[in-house]
Amino acid sequence: AQSVTQLDSHVSVSEGTPVLLRCNYSSSYSPSLFWYVQHPNKGLQLLLKYTSAATLVKGINGFEAEFKKSETSFHLTKPSAHMSDAAEYFCVVSDQAGTALIFGKGTTLSVSS
Amino acid sequence: GAGVSQSPSNKVTEKGKDVELRCDPISGHTALYWYRQSLGQGLEFLIYFQGNSAPDKSGLPSDRFSAERTGGSVSTLTIQRTQQEDSAVYLCASSLMAQRVGAQYFGPGTRLLVL
Repeated sequence: AQSVTQLDSHVSVSEGTPVLLRCNYSSSYSPSLFWYVQHPNKGLQLLLKYTSAATLVKGINGFEAEFKKSETSFHLTKPSAHMSDAAEYFCVVSDQAGTALIFGKGTTLSVSS
Repeated sequence: GAGVSQSPSNKVTEKGKDVELRCDPISGHTALYWYRQSLGQGLEFLIYFQGNSAPDKSGLPSDRFSAERTGGSVSTLTIQRTQQEDSAVYLCASSLMAQRVGAQYFGPGTRLLVL
């Protein structure tokens, strides 16, 4: 069965410092992986997706993620945090049929000035 | 509109009542999904529709939950005899086609509160 584990439920950073949100996945096949962001009282927004092309994936708002098969990881990074990055972030894997998305528990990112 | 829309945005109902939640997918998207986001369970897949194929209902938590998609576009999620544990945000998503490389685009959700 496919699953994702987000290693931190809450991450706090200062504005201008790097962001690292950790995600490990479990899959019996080559997965498609995604990061979604959810701002308070807003819908889920796709940040980036990995679909077996380049292992380093660039997304919106300066975020990127690197697929590491040997470590079964798909960590999300950003060089410099902005106050507007404060939100809930979900690491997601698609199911084997390629239909339903399986969500991690989420990581709340707080950014202080 | 350009995105997925859902109505109502908020719904308060009494235990035992039936509710209907509506989703309008992005025009041209053939696949439509329902998810539920609750405090205790996180984000859970409920059901998906792809074109005229039979829906995948594997995520529905009980037979009180059902969904239909008319004309390959608008979908309605119905919860019969609502229970307090049904309180959650119900999210709809659509994608161009149900394939692993596709990304799903989410609506703002319907926040359901069962009293």
